[in-house]
Amino acid sequence: DTEVTQTPKHLVMGMTNKKSLKCEQHMGHRAMYWYKQKAKKPPELMFVYSYEKLSINESVPSRFSPECPNSSLLNLHLHALQPEDSALYLCASSQDLLRTQYFGPGTRLLVL
Amino acid sequence: GENVEQHPSTLSVQEGDSAVIKCTYSDSASNYFPWYKQELGKGPQLIIDIRSNVGEKKDQRIAVTLNKTAKHFSLHITETQPEDSAVYFCAASTGRGGGADGLTFGKGTHLIIQP
Repeated sequence: DTEVTQTPKHLVMGMTNKKSLKCEQHMGHRAMYWYKQKAKKPPELMFVYSYEKLSINESVPSRFSPECPNSSLLNLHLHALQPEDSALYLCASSQDLLRTQYFGPGTRLLVL
Repeated sequence: GENVEQHPSTLSVQEGDSAVIKCTYSDSASNYFPWYKQELGKGPQLIIDIRSNVGEKKDQRIAVTLNKTAKHFSLHITETQPEDSAVYFCAASTGRGGGADGLTFGKGTHLIIQP
């Protein structure tokens, strides 16, 4: 089983709202990732968690706040987003360093 | 940081013909190179990957070659079928070490298989 699940599939929010994206995997992977993908562009790395600790933060604005409650779950808390933050947010996981990353289907976010 | 260039941006081939997509990378420390296929409305799906200690890898109709000296790698799809139509991304590990690494992606190739 190489499944990464993400909820919700779609999300519409206003600029003053607070919402959260959720990612889950049950493959025993110890690394989890958030990527942002704009239309017709490649995914761009946002955050990396390794063994439940934040390993990489690619200078992402503080209105995006990641959280890794346990080895199977990864959340992305959203607050005071801008319309330009509208994108597909992808979660991925891998077993360890330099191992294959498996992506979820993504959450399509629209900020009004 | 790592920079990955991918060509062409669009590739149209007749069904049954071969397709080749090429990528170059800048960071000589990168040592892991996956290829992903992304269909409309879906997340990227890994189709094949290669590590720097190998020059070529094949899986049925799909093959990847790596030239470390020239810092380029290529995806080869033979006997293309309509279901191969999608956007293909190459990627390279950032090679930071010390923990899990993110991927740097090329800009993508829209592969169109003409019936």
